[in-house]
Parts: sequence; structure tokens; C-alpha cells
Amino acid sequence: ETGVTQSPTHLIKTRGQQVTLRCSSQSGHNTVSWYQQALGQGPQFIFQYYREEENGRGNFPPRFSGLQFPNYSSELNVNALELDDSALYLCASSPALRDYGYTFGSGTRLTVV
Amino acid sequence: QKEVEQDPGPLSVPEGAIVSLNCTYSNSAFQYFMWYRQYSRKGPELLMYTYSSGNKEDGRFTAQVDKSSKYISLFIRDSQPSDSATYLCALGTSYDKVIFGPGTSLSVIP
Repeated sequence: ETGVTQSPTHLIKTRGQQVTLRCSSQSGHNTVSWYQQALGQGPQFIFQYYREEENGRGNFPPRFSGLQFPNYSSELNVNALELDDSALYLCASSPALRDYGYTFGSGTRLTVV
Repeated sequence: QKEVEQDPGPLSVPEGAIVSLNCTYSNSAFQYFMWYRQYSRKGPELLMYTYSSGNKEDGRFTAQVDKSSKYISLFIRDSQPSDSATYLCALGTSYDKVIFGPGTSLSVIP
């Protein structure tokens, strides 16, 4: 098992730009969830993908979008970046839709300037 | 009222102490209860996962769930400096996303 891998680890973008974050889920895991974690806060749910379909979305605007690929890896895209988007973005995978024992990656630290 | 509340700390204890970490929640639909540990600059790591009221023990860690009071706890026995981290409670329903608490920062002093 290689665990959950996220790339890049750090990223600096300018306000208004677009960004794509990537996640390779743990082997055998078909469900991927994305979370945003601001400094000193708990993770906030963005959305979840199950077998390439979106399966639930948190209170985030449409400029946050995602994809899941046939190998269950996933992308998070954010358009029109705002300063408040600066955060740690976490990807979590699990072996089944209702298995909440998530395995998290180390995250991508996004800074918007 | 927030869905999940957790004392942010920071909590500082001497090595060897028993640590008690707590969360309260408001939605009775939560059926799955997890505790995660997060070290600085790392992703959360699953410590405990339960779906019933009562206690679950794993080594030095005990998770306690009281659904009638909407209250969950994590106890750490014989705390070690390596336990210094942020502890996140997380709750899930049978049909919805997992909600995380804001986390409690713990420091175990040698």
C-alpha cells in the first residue's frame, strides 16, 4: 500500500488565477473526498467522488469543481482564486462509500497572493 | 449552534498524564464517530472509528460515545511527548458527508 499521494505539496498563485490539485487514492479505494482546512480550523468538506460520480457537495461555490478518473485518482480545480482560498487542501480516500475510516494525504498548501 | 463543537485548547499536560478530549454535537442523525490525530504540516491520521454507544479501546486510546447526551470523548493513558498533536473528532451519518470538529491542540511536556 502506498497510501494517499497529493501533488503539489506547496503552491503560490495570484488572485484570479486557476489551480488544479491532484490526488492518487490508496490502492483498492474507490471513494475520494476533498477537504479545505484553514489555519487553526478543522477540515471543511468540499465534495466527494464515488466511482467517477460526484456524491455530495459542501457549502462551496461552483468555482470549486472536481473529477475522478477510472483509476480512482482525483483532481480538484479552483477557478478565479480569492485570497480566502489560501488553505491546506486535503484529499481522503476510503474503500467504500459508507466507510468513514478515511486515509488522508499530507495535503497541498495553497497560498493566494 | 455549530454541528460539532470541540474545545480548541491548547491543552498542556505532563508526560504520563491521562488526557481527556471531548466533542459535543447537535445532529442526532450522526451514527459514526471517529477520532483523528494531525501532526503539524501533515494530513489527519485515523485513530478510532466506532458506530455504537459505549467504549472502544485500542492500546493507550479509549473512545467513548454517549448518543443520548450527544457527547464523545477520547482518553489517552500514559501520554507521551509523541502524542503532541491536534486531535479532531469527526462524525458521519449513513447518507451524508463526514463533519469534523475544529480540533484540540495537545502538548505533552517531558
